[in-house]
Amino acid sequence: AQRVTQPEKLLSVFKGAPVELKCNYSYSGSPELFWYVQYSRQRLQLLLRHISRESIKGFTADLNKGETSFHLKKPFAQEEDSAMYYCVSYRAGANNLFFGTGTRLTVIP
Amino acid sequence: EPEVTQTPSHQVTQMGQEVILRCVPISNHLYFYWYRQILGQKVEFLVSFYNNEISEKSEIFDDQFSVERPDGSNFTLKIRSTKLEDSAMYFCASSSDRVGGGYTFGSGTRLTVV
Repeated sequence: AQRVTQPEKLLSVFKGAPVELKCNYSYSGSPELFWYVQYSRQRLQLLLRHISRESIKGFTADLNKGETSFHLKKPFAQEEDSAMYYCVSYRAGANNLFFGTGTRLTVIP
Repeated sequence: EPEVTQTPSHQVTQMGQEVILRCVPISNHLYFYWYRQILGQKVEFLVSFYNNEISEKSEIFDDQFSVERPDGSNFTLKIRSTKLEDSAMYFCASSSDRVGGGYTFGSGTRLTVV
Protein backbone atom coordinates (compact mmCIF):
# COMPACT_ATOMS: atom_id res chain seq x y z
CA ALA A 1 0.00 0.00 0.00
CA GLN A 2 1.11 3.52 -0.70
CA ARG A 3 1.48 5.76 2.35
CA VAL A 4 2.97 9.07 3.26
CA THR A 5 3.51 9.89 6.90
CA GLN A 6 3.98 13.31 8.42
CA PRO A 7 4.82 12.73 12.07
CA GLU A 8 4.38 16.33 13.20
CA LYS A 9 0.93 17.92 13.24
CA LEU A 10 2.30 21.22 14.52
CA LEU A 11 5.70 22.83 14.17
CA SER A 12 6.75 26.22 15.47
CA VAL A 13 10.03 27.92 14.70
CA PHE A 14 11.38 31.41 15.16
CA LYS A 15 11.87 33.69 12.19
CA GLY A 16 15.31 33.15 10.74
CA ALA A 17 15.67 29.67 12.17
CA PRO A 18 16.00 26.60 9.97
CA VAL A 19 12.90 24.55 9.41
CA GLU A 20 12.44 20.92 8.45
CA LEU A 21 9.07 19.32 7.87
CA LYS A 22 9.31 15.57 7.90
CA CYS A 23 7.75 13.16 5.47
CA ASN A 24 8.28 9.43 5.10
CA TYR A 25 6.76 7.29 2.43
CA SER A 26 6.11 3.66 1.79
CA TYR A 27 5.75 2.66 -1.80
CA SER A 28 6.71 -0.44 -3.67
CA GLY A 29 7.67 1.23 -6.93
CA SER A 30 9.30 4.53 -7.81
CA PRO A 31 7.47 7.21 -5.88
CA GLU A 32 6.39 10.50 -7.32
CA LEU A 33 6.28 12.91 -4.42
CA PHE A 34 5.24 16.50 -3.93
CA TRP A 35 4.82 19.12 -1.29
CA TYR A 36 1.56 21.06 -1.42
CA VAL A 37 0.96 24.15 0.72
CA GLN A 38 -2.16 25.90 1.92
CA TYR A 39 -1.75 29.42 3.22
CA SER A 40 -4.43 30.91 5.43
CA ARG A 41 -7.66 31.46 3.48
CA GLN A 42 -6.06 30.31 0.25
CA ARG A 43 -6.35 27.17 -1.83
CA LEU A 44 -4.09 24.17 -1.94
CA GLN A 45 -1.21 24.78 -4.27
CA LEU A 46 1.83 22.91 -5.41
CA LEU A 47 5.03 23.98 -3.70
CA LEU A 48 7.52 21.63 -5.27
CA ARG A 49 7.97 18.18 -6.77
CA HIS A 50 10.81 15.75 -6.26
CA ILE A 51 11.59 15.20 -9.92
CA SER A 52 12.37 18.83 -10.58
CA ARG A 53 14.86 19.20 -7.71
CA GLU A 54 14.11 22.89 -7.65
CA SER A 55 13.99 25.42 -4.86
CA ILE A 56 10.73 27.30 -4.43
CA LYS A 57 10.46 30.18 -1.96
CA GLY A 58 13.72 28.96 -0.46
CA PHE A 59 12.35 25.48 0.22
CA THR A 60 14.01 22.30 -0.99
CA ALA A 61 13.15 18.65 -0.62
CA ASP A 62 15.37 15.73 -1.45
CA LEU A 63 14.13 12.23 -2.03
CA ASN A 64 16.14 9.83 0.13
CA LYS A 65 15.35 6.33 -1.04
CA GLY A 66 17.49 4.74 1.66
CA GLU A 67 15.51 6.41 4.41
CA THR A 68 12.29 6.57 2.35
CA SER A 69 12.02 10.22 3.23
CA PHE A 70 11.16 13.44 1.45
CA HIS A 71 11.70 16.09 4.09
CA LEU A 72 11.01 19.75 3.29
CA LYS A 73 13.70 22.17 4.39
CA LYS A 74 14.39 25.85 4.47
CA PRO A 75 17.49 27.38 6.03
CA PHE A 76 15.87 30.60 7.26
CA ALA A 77 12.15 30.63 8.01
CA GLN A 78 10.07 33.70 7.23
CA GLU A 79 6.76 34.75 8.76
CA GLU A 80 5.02 34.31 5.42
CA ASP A 81 5.98 30.63 5.47
CA SER A 82 3.34 30.01 8.13
CA ALA A 83 0.91 27.61 6.50
CA MET A 84 -0.30 24.03 6.31
CA TYR A 85 2.11 21.78 4.44
CA TYR A 86 1.12 18.45 2.92
CA CYS A 87 3.42 15.75 1.70
CA VAL A 88 1.70 14.07 -1.22
CA SER A 89 2.35 11.03 -3.34
CA TYR A 90 0.98 10.54 -6.81
CA ARG A 91 -0.55 7.23 -7.81
CA ALA A 92 0.15 7.16 -11.52
CA GLY A 93 -1.93 4.09 -12.26
CA ALA A 94 -4.94 5.54 -10.55
CA ASN A 95 -4.20 9.19 -11.36
CA ASN A 96 -4.90 10.48 -7.91
CA LEU A 97 -3.04 12.10 -5.05
CA PHE A 98 -2.49 10.53 -1.66
CA PHE A 99 -2.09 13.16 1.06
CA GLY A 100 -0.26 13.01 4.32
CA THR A 101 -2.00 14.36 7.38
CA GLY A 102 -0.26 17.69 7.06
CA THR A 103 1.97 19.80 9.29
CA ARG A 104 0.94 23.25 10.39
CA LEU A 105 4.01 25.45 10.43
CA THR A 106 3.98 28.60 12.51
CA VAL A 107 6.88 31.02 12.19
CA ILE A 108 7.16 33.16 15.30
CA PRO A 109 8.30 36.75 14.68
CA GLU B 1 -3.67 32.92 -13.61
CA PRO B 2 -6.57 30.55 -14.36
CA GLU B 3 -8.49 29.33 -11.34
CA VAL B 4 -10.81 26.49 -10.44
CA THR B 5 -14.00 28.02 -9.08
CA GLN B 6 -16.22 26.31 -6.54
CA THR B 7 -19.68 27.32 -5.40
CA PRO B 8 -21.03 27.73 -2.83
CA SER B 9 -18.19 28.39 -0.42
CA HIS B 10 -20.34 27.13 2.46
CA GLN B 11 -23.43 24.94 2.35
CA VAL B 12 -25.55 23.97 5.31
CA THR B 13 -28.06 21.21 4.79
CA GLN B 14 -30.32 19.02 6.84
CA MET B 15 -29.54 15.37 7.24
CA GLY B 16 -31.25 13.37 4.53
CA GLN B 17 -31.31 16.17 2.00
CA GLU B 18 -29.52 16.13 -1.33
CA VAL B 19 -26.79 18.64 -2.10
CA ILE B 20 -25.01 19.57 -5.30
CA LEU B 21 -21.57 21.07 -5.12
CA ARG B 22 -20.46 22.95 -8.19
CA CYS B 23 -17.09 23.44 -9.78
CA VAL B 24 -15.85 25.22 -12.87
CA PRO B 25 -12.51 23.64 -13.84
CA ILE B 26 -9.88 25.39 -15.89
CA SER B 27 -11.17 25.53 -19.43
CA ASN B 28 -8.48 23.56 -21.24
CA HIS B 29 -8.07 20.89 -18.56
CA LEU B 30 -9.20 17.37 -19.31
CA TYR B 31 -9.13 15.62 -15.94
CA PHE B 32 -11.37 16.53 -13.04
CA TYR B 33 -11.34 15.43 -9.44
CA TRP B 34 -13.15 15.69 -6.15
CA TYR B 35 -11.37 15.41 -2.82
CA ARG B 36 -12.70 15.91 0.65
CA GLN B 37 -11.24 16.78 4.04
CA ILE B 38 -13.14 16.02 7.20
CA LEU B 39 -12.17 18.47 9.94
CA GLY B 40 -8.92 17.42 11.54
CA GLN B 41 -8.29 14.62 9.05
CA LYS B 42 -6.33 14.23 5.85
CA VAL B 43 -7.38 15.22 2.37
CA GLU B 44 -8.92 12.15 0.73
CA PHE B 45 -9.49 11.28 -2.90
CA LEU B 46 -13.08 10.70 -3.93
CA VAL B 47 -13.25 10.45 -7.70
CA SER B 48 -11.57 11.34 -10.95
CA PHE B 49 -13.38 12.06 -14.19
CA TYR B 50 -12.13 12.01 -17.75
CA ASN B 51 -13.77 11.94 -21.14
CA ASN B 52 -17.23 12.24 -19.60
CA GLU B 53 -16.93 9.27 -17.34
CA ILE B 54 -15.51 8.26 -14.00
CA SER B 55 -11.96 6.99 -14.40
CA GLU B 56 -11.23 6.17 -10.77
CA LYS B 57 -13.10 6.26 -7.49
CA SER B 58 -12.23 5.52 -3.90
CA GLU B 59 -14.13 3.32 -1.49
CA ILE B 60 -15.63 6.48 -0.02
CA PHE B 61 -17.38 7.22 -3.29
CA ASP B 62 -20.35 4.89 -2.91
CA ASP B 63 -23.85 5.01 -4.38
CA GLN B 64 -24.62 8.07 -2.32
CA PHE B 65 -22.31 10.09 -4.53
CA SER B 66 -22.42 10.94 -8.20
CA VAL B 67 -20.59 13.30 -10.50
CA GLU B 68 -21.63 14.93 -13.68
CA ARG B 69 -20.39 17.31 -16.29
CA PRO B 70 -23.73 18.68 -17.44
CA ASP B 71 -22.27 21.17 -19.89
CA GLY B 72 -18.89 22.19 -21.20
CA SER B 73 -17.86 24.10 -18.12
CA ASN B 74 -19.41 22.78 -14.91
CA PHE B 75 -18.41 19.70 -12.94
CA THR B 76 -20.75 18.76 -10.12
CA LEU B 77 -20.71 16.45 -7.13
CA LYS B 78 -24.10 15.29 -5.92
CA ILE B 79 -24.54 13.80 -2.50
CA ARG B 80 -27.87 12.08 -1.98
CA SER B 81 -29.44 11.68 1.44
CA THR B 82 -26.67 13.46 3.33
CA LYS B 83 -25.42 12.13 6.64
CA LEU B 84 -23.78 13.94 9.51
CA GLU B 85 -20.46 12.32 8.62
CA ASP B 86 -20.57 13.91 5.17
CA SER B 87 -19.72 17.22 6.82
CA ALA B 88 -16.36 18.17 5.35
CA MET B 89 -14.50 20.51 3.06
CA TYR B 90 -14.91 19.36 -0.54
CA PHE B 91 -12.22 20.33 -3.00
CA CYS B 92 -12.52 20.23 -6.75
CA ALA B 93 -9.37 20.03 -8.86
CA SER B 94 -8.51 19.82 -12.52
CA SER B 95 -5.42 19.00 -14.52
CA SER B 96 -4.37 19.04 -18.14
CA ASP B 97 -2.69 15.66 -17.99
CA ARG B 98 -1.97 12.74 -15.72
CA VAL B 99 0.77 14.41 -13.74
CA GLY B 100 0.66 14.71 -9.98
CA GLY B 101 2.09 18.17 -9.92
CA GLY B 102 -0.27 19.55 -12.49
CA TYR B 103 -3.35 19.81 -10.32
CA THR B 104 -5.10 23.12 -9.75
CA PHE B 105 -7.38 23.08 -6.73
CA GLY B 106 -10.44 25.16 -6.04
CA SER B 107 -10.86 26.96 -2.76
CA GLY B 108 -13.34 24.37 -1.52
CA THR B 109 -16.94 24.11 -0.35
CA ARG B 110 -17.50 23.61 3.33
CA LEU B 111 -20.48 21.31 3.72
CA THR B 112 -22.17 21.19 7.10
CA VAL B 113 -24.87 18.60 7.64
CA VAL B 114 -27.11 19.29 10.62
